[in-house]
Amino acid sequence: GAGVSQSPSNKVTEKGKDVELRCDPISGHTALYWYRQSLGQGLEFLIYFQGNSAPDKSGLPSDRFSAERTGGSVSTLTIQRTQQEDSAVYLCASSPLSIGGAGTDTQYFGPGTRLTVL
Amino acid sequence: AQRVTQPEKLLSVFKGAPVELKCNYSYSGSPELFWYVQYSRQRLQLLLRHISRESIKGFTADLNKGETSFHLKKPFAQEEDSAMYYCALSGRASSNTGKLIFGQGTTLQVKP
Repeated sequence: GAGVSQSPSNKVTEKGKDVELRCDPISGHTALYWYRQSLGQGLEFLIYFQGNSAPDKSGLPSDRFSAERTGGSVSTLTIQRTQQEDSAVYLCASSPLSIGGAGTDTQYFGPGTRLTVL
Repeated sequence: AQRVTQPEKLLSVFKGAPVELKCNYSYSGSPELFWYVQYSRQRLQLLLRHISRESIKGFTADLNKGETSFHLKKPFAQEEDSAMYYCALSGRASSNTGKLIFGQGTTLQVKP
């Protein structure tokens, strides 16, 4: 079946501009995660969605970052007034559901969006 | 504090040699440990998880709670094992969101 997809695959923008990154999770997956992969920082968690709500936004680095999810499916990560330090690969992952206490479902990752801020 | 440490950025071995990718963690609670792998030009994917106690592609990893380690091992490396390997943990509490905390990653290079 179709895996997690992300668009665009590459995005080059100028400092100060806003960008939107899109994630299409695997159909039926209720949990959705955004991570950032950058040089020197490794892979960092940004935000978690269960359905359309985001009970854990603890990884968002500043208030310039926001995300939403609609219809329990597509998610958009928005970065306002981009800075050069925002340059990274942004990864989205989905899983069937997040189970507390009984283990963690496998997360399926998308190919990522490479963001370059000039 | 929750933390995953992979001390080696790069591990280079010859084909047929044993491989051990190190991973240590700190977590105040009951963690679940994973190894994820990213082959060249492919997406990040799960290799194995400690709960399953499986051997995948000849790799095994045992959770050692006393040493807080989850090292990845393979007795005979193959060239196709060359990739970036990430150790990750998630909490198993009822409040767990399933988010993964990753180590910095280790690049495994298997030379012919």
